Amino acid sequence: EAGVTQFPSHSVIEKGQTVTLRCDPISGHDNLYWYRRVMGKEIKFLLHFVKESKQDESGMPNNRFLAERTGGTYSTLKVQPAELEDSGVYFCASSRPGLPTGELFFGEGSRLTVL
Amino acid sequence: AQSVSQHNHHVILSEAASLELGCNYSYGGTVNLFWYVQYPGQHLQLLLKYFSGDPLVKGIKGFEAEFIKSKFSFNLRKPSVQWSDTAEYFCAVNVPGTYKYIFGTGTRLKVLA
Repeated sequence: EAGVTQFPSHSVIEKGQTVTLRCDPISGHDNLYWYRRVMGKEIKFLLHFVKESKQDESGMPNNRFLAERTGGTYSTLKVQPAELEDSGVYFCASSRPGLPTGELFFGEGSRLTVL
Repeated sequence: AQSVSQHNHHVILSEAASLELGCNYSYGGTVNLFWYVQYPGQHLQLLLKYFSGDPLVKGIKGFEAEFIKSKFSFNLRKPSVQWSDTAEYFCAVNVPGTYKYIFGTGTRLKVLA
């Protein structure tokens, strides 16, 4: 079974530019999550999809962040325009349908550096 | 709001030393508890979890954790660490019936050969 894949693994952009991160969850996993880790801090929840529907986006920092999951498969997280404080590692995770009964399966993360 | 505290940010041990990493959470109700590990260059993976029952849970690679409800703690232990345990360890909580996981700041463990 293929794991959660994220692309790109590392992105370096200038302040004001746009970046789009992509996550392909494990096949059949209805639940998809985005988390972010700013250097040295905790891994913070951004949002949660069930299939194509946003269930909880309470962790999204502001309206410069837009997440989509068209068709309920892969998801994208767009940052536009990027600011310095957006730098960090963006993790995607997925889990089986229904309430989590244990494991979130994580991707390796997309490291974003905003200069 | 729930939060998770990991007091040790960096730990350095020699091989065969015993390990205990602290984790405390703030939430008055029932929680599910997890430890995740991220080895260098790899993705986060589940080490062990506690939902209910025996408060001493065993995970992969010889790790165990003890849930002490009165102390709101879920400390991770290993009797004898190996060089291959060098990684970053994250404690996390989830309120049953919800989807959100709350993570701590992580503890970076370095084991010297």
